[in-house]
Amino acid sequence: EAGVTQFPSHSVIEKGQTVTLRCDPISGHDNLYWYRRVMGKEIKFLLHFVKESKQDESGMPNNRFLAERTGGTYSTLKVQPAELEDSGVYFCASSLFGRGSYEQYFGPGTRLTVT
Amino acid sequence: AQRVTQPEKLLSVFKGAPVELKCNYSYSGSPELFWYVQYSRQRLQLLLRHISRESIKGFTADLNKGETSFHLKKPFAQEEDSAMYYCALGQGGSEKLVFGKGTKLTVNP
Repeated sequence: EAGVTQFPSHSVIEKGQTVTLRCDPISGHDNLYWYRRVMGKEIKFLLHFVKESKQDESGMPNNRFLAERTGGTYSTLKVQPAELEDSGVYFCASSLFGRGSYEQYFGPGTRLTVT
Repeated sequence: AQRVTQPEKLLSVFKGAPVELKCNYSYSGSPELFWYVQYSRQRLQLLLRHISRESIKGFTADLNKGETSFHLKKPFAQEEDSAMYYCALGQGGSEKLVFGKGTKLTVNP
């Protein structure tokens, strides 16, 4: 079974540009999460989808970040316009719905560099 | 505020030696604690969680609510244990994880 996949694996963009990250969760997983790790800091929660609905977006840093999960399958995270402090590794994770859903399966991450 | 502290950024031991990776948390509710591991060039994966009280790859972790700790232990470290270890706190009702900064464990031959 394929695990969580993320695209691209790396992205280098200039400040002010737009970048869209994609996450494909494990098939059948209703929960989808986005996290990010900024250099030297801990992995931080961004938001949580249950199917296509945003369950918790308390970790989104500001309105330059927009996440969608149309149809409850894959998700995209768009950063527009990108700033230098957005550089880091963006992780996606998915899990089954219900008790035990804490076992989150992580993707390999997208390394974003904003220059 | 919810917080997870891993005081050691780096930890180096010799093969066969005991290892303990420390984790302390701050949470007013009933915590759910996890250890995640990331081996070189692999993705983050769940190692163990306190609810299951199991031993995985020889590692155990006991939740100590009095000391608000969830230290990860292994009596005899192996070279293949070298990895980045993250302690994480799950918050009931939210399901988001709060991570510590991680400890890089190196097991020397």
